[in-house]
Amino acid sequence: NAGVTQTPKFRILKIGQSMTLQCTQDMNHNYMYWYRQDPGMGLKLIYYSVGAGITDKGEVPNGYNVSRSTTEDFPLRLELAAPSQTSVYFCASSGRGQGGEKLFFGSGTQLSVL
Amino acid sequence: GQSLEQPSEVTAVEGAIVQINCTYQTSGFYGLSWYQQHDGGAPTFLSYNGLDGLEETGRFSSFLSRSDSYGYLLLQELQMKDSASYFCAAPSVGKFQFGAGTQVVVTP
Repeated sequence: NAGVTQTPKFRILKIGQSMTLQCTQDMNHNYMYWYRQDPGMGLKLIYYSVGAGITDKGEVPNGYNVSRSTTEDFPLRLELAAPSQTSVYFCASSGRGQGGEKLFFGSGTQLSVL
Repeated sequence: GQSLEQPSEVTAVEGAIVQINCTYQTSGFYGLSWYQQHDGGAPTFLSYNGLDGLEETGRFSSFLSRSDSYGYLLLQELQMKDSASYFCAAPSVGKFQFGAGTQVVVTP
């Protein structure tokens, strides 16, 4: 199994550009998450989804959008990129989301907005 | 909402024991998880406490006290490869929120 796959691994954007970070998982997990991690900091929840067609905001949703049309895929869209969005982005999934199931993380996307 | 507090850094020598504390304020608390993250890598799951008490997994143990809103991760027989950041995390209605992380530095 591949687990959680994120693409791209690195990206440089200019201010005002848009892009989509791709995330797919092959574990048939219902719960999927997007986090951002600034240098030396913890993980901040951007958006999460409890199943196909259902998404909700986390702690820091401004400037981002998500969709969940299938169980496998959970893309994160950045519109009008800003320097404050320079960060490492992690996608994760879990089976139940109640804590008894562990989070499986993708390898991350390092994004720089210049 | 939730908040999870943990120390920013702990330094210890190889072979020593390190305890990383995590205090939390949360609604709808289910349990406490611990994750390890090496520089440049993704977080990986270490342990979960859904009930009060101690959970042991090899050299690592985790403890939870719901009455004190407190947990800890115990790293025994420290090895150089244990140098990493360690995060406590708490799920709440499908979401997982993380503490700011504790950087563990292991010296020879």
